[in-house]
Amino acid sequence: AQSVTQPDIHITVSEGASLELRCNYSYGATPYLFWYVQSPGQGLQLLLKYFSGDTLVQGIKGFEAEFKRSQSSFNLRKPSVHWSDAAEYFCAVGLNDMRFGAGTRLTVKP
Amino acid sequence: GAVVSQHPSWVICKSGTSVKIECRSLDFQATTMFWYRQFPKQSLMLMATSNEGSKATYEQGVEKDKFLINHASLTLSTLTVTSAHPEDSSFYICSAIGQGPSYEQYFGPGTRLTVT
Repeated sequence: AQSVTQPDIHITVSEGASLELRCNYSYGATPYLFWYVQSPGQGLQLLLKYFSGDTLVQGIKGFEAEFKRSQSSFNLRKPSVHWSDAAEYFCAVGLNDMRFGAGTRLTVKP
Repeated sequence: GAVVSQHPSWVICKSGTSVKIECRSLDFQATTMFWYRQFPKQSLMLMATSNEGSKATYEQGVEKDKFLINHASLTLSTLTVTSAHPEDSSFYICSAIGQGPSYEQYFGPGTRLTVT
């Protein structure tokens, strides 16, 4: 069965610092991988997705993620975090049977 | 971009009553809609998948007689929580995918249900 693990429940970074959110997946075939962000009172917004091709994926808001098949990982990165990036981040795998990770809450210190 | 709306955004109902939540795709036709449930500080759990004009497919452990899903048109799906109990209090989120090769689920803003 497919599953997603986000090892970090809560991460705090200083504004301007770099960010990496971890995501590990278990999937039987080629995975369809997603990163979403959820802000309070708002719906989930897709940051980026990976279906195939280039393993380094560029998304919105300056985020990128790298698919590493050998490590079953799809970590999200941003070189310089802004205060507005504070939110809950979810990694997800699958298509019609999408499974979400537990989420990582990002706090940004001024 | 594609927009999905949910109504209501927040509902309070008494135990034993039923409540209906609507999910609409505003600017595209949704061939498939999904319903998720999210507990506080937890992840989204897929409840069911619905295709227009056919019965919903429920995930294991989800009571189909309690959570009635109707996908009557290509732009509307409804979730009815029947005989609601306090343990049904949660955040319910729908998503929709449209026609075409680009697969992406567009999520609604969610509906917070509180059962008293």
